[in-house]
Amino acid sequence: GAVVSQHPSRVICKSGTSVKIECRSLDFQATTMFWYRQFPKQSLMLMATSNEGSKATYEQGVEKDKFLINHASLTLSTLTVTSAHPEDSSFYICSARDSGGVRLYNEQFFGPGTRLTVL
Amino acid sequence: KNEVEQSPQNLTAQEGEFITINCSYSVGISALHWLQQHPGGGIVSLFMLSSGKKKHGRLIATINIQEKHSSLHITASHPRDSAVYICAVGPTGNQFYFGTGTSLTVIP
Repeated sequence: GAVVSQHPSRVICKSGTSVKIECRSLDFQATTMFWYRQFPKQSLMLMATSNEGSKATYEQGVEKDKFLINHASLTLSTLTVTSAHPEDSSFYICSARDSGGVRLYNEQFFGPGTRLTVL
Repeated sequence: KNEVEQSPQNLTAQEGEFITINCSYSVGISALHWLQQHPGGGIVSLFMLSSGKKKHGRLIATINIQEKHSSLHITASHPRDSAVYICAVGPTGNQFYFGTGTSLTVIP
């Protein structure tokens, strides 16, 4: 089946540094990828929609200058948390929409997530 | 009111028991996902379904589009099934709606 990978799975960084998280679709092309954030004991919340070759669309309340998204190819989107602070510590999950072929619905596949801890 | 409601929120079962987790939703959907999140946070996609029933090993997922309801069943539960199970519906446009999860603990 389709697989979406994320790297790294866990990262610990110092306050003020930047962290890049990669999301890859391994066996399909994804013109659209999504980034979610999950705080402890809460649901996943959509942060932004990443479109290949164009600017990302951010949800209300998400700082686009802090969470930089780049979707440079059909199989890779990156989320960079700039000048990270302890309050950015969270679980970040991506999902990718299969854009190849004709389907009855847009199949979307979830990555395993990345645990970010900012000290 | 949440667009996706899961029940129960917490569930403790003895090893070997049959487990059912329910998901009701109020939005239009193109597909419903069942996700498994382990204590370390890693997410595994269990099922994606838009109608009927799917089975994978000891896991069975069903969906009733008319009633806007889905169930996840685990047969012969095992301690390694202990995790949070999340129902996600969508996308409507780009928006997925997530339930708050059901925390399952299976006791040996």
